[in-house]
Amino acid sequence: AQTVTQSQPEMSVQEAETVTLSCTYDTSESDYYLFWYKQPPSRQMILVIRQEAYKQQNATENRFSVNFQKAAKSFSLKISDSQLGDAAMYFCAYRDYGGATNKLIFGTGTLLAVQP
Amino acid sequence: ETGVTQTPRHLVMGMTNKKSLKCEQHLGHNAMYWYKQSAKKPLELMFVYNFKEQTENNSVPSRFSPECPNSSHLFLHLHTLQPEDSALYLCASSQGSRAPNTEAFFGQGTRLTVV
Repeated sequence: AQTVTQSQPEMSVQEAETVTLSCTYDTSESDYYLFWYKQPPSRQMILVIRQEAYKQQNATENRFSVNFQKAAKSFSLKISDSQLGDAAMYFCAYRDYGGATNKLIFGTGTLLAVQP
Repeated sequence: ETGVTQTPRHLVMGMTNKKSLKCEQHLGHNAMYWYKQSAKKPLELMFVYNFKEQTENNSVPSRFSPECPNSSHLFLHLHTLQPEDSALYLCASSQGSRAPNTEAFFGQGTRLTVV
């Protein structure tokens, strides 16, 4: 069974600085998708960034980028120029390619605090 | 607002009560999901519906009963719950199993407390 592990329960970063959140996963599949979701205090889960496993190029969305290491099964999220609004719980998630149920498997999350 | 609406936002119920959680999406999605979010645990997938058919039941106790009358609506019927069932229940929707690279859209959840 696939698993997703986030080893950092909490992280803190100064405003305007850069922070990296770690995620590792375990799967025997070769094709899959990886996602980072953000959950602010409003509880709404919002997609931050996604990565297709067959793409070697790391995904980037404005201040958010990933470091995808397929062989190491690692998928870290880098937040540059951190802003107060980035404070939230961040979840790493995995989805099989072509799975019948299309389900997302989540890690335990990393709570990010942004210090002014 | 992501297009997925959950009601109620908060619910307190006794162990002998029967209540229902409602989820609604008008995004044209074909897959809907129930997740349970407890403190310090990964989000637990409970049920998946694709095109109104249940395709996943992740060993959920029978005191949780899902219902999907159409692709836009999903219910979670609750009865004789236990205090350990207190959690945030999240509903999500996505394009479905034919589009695995698309994101899932989540509702704001129902905070359930069982007393």
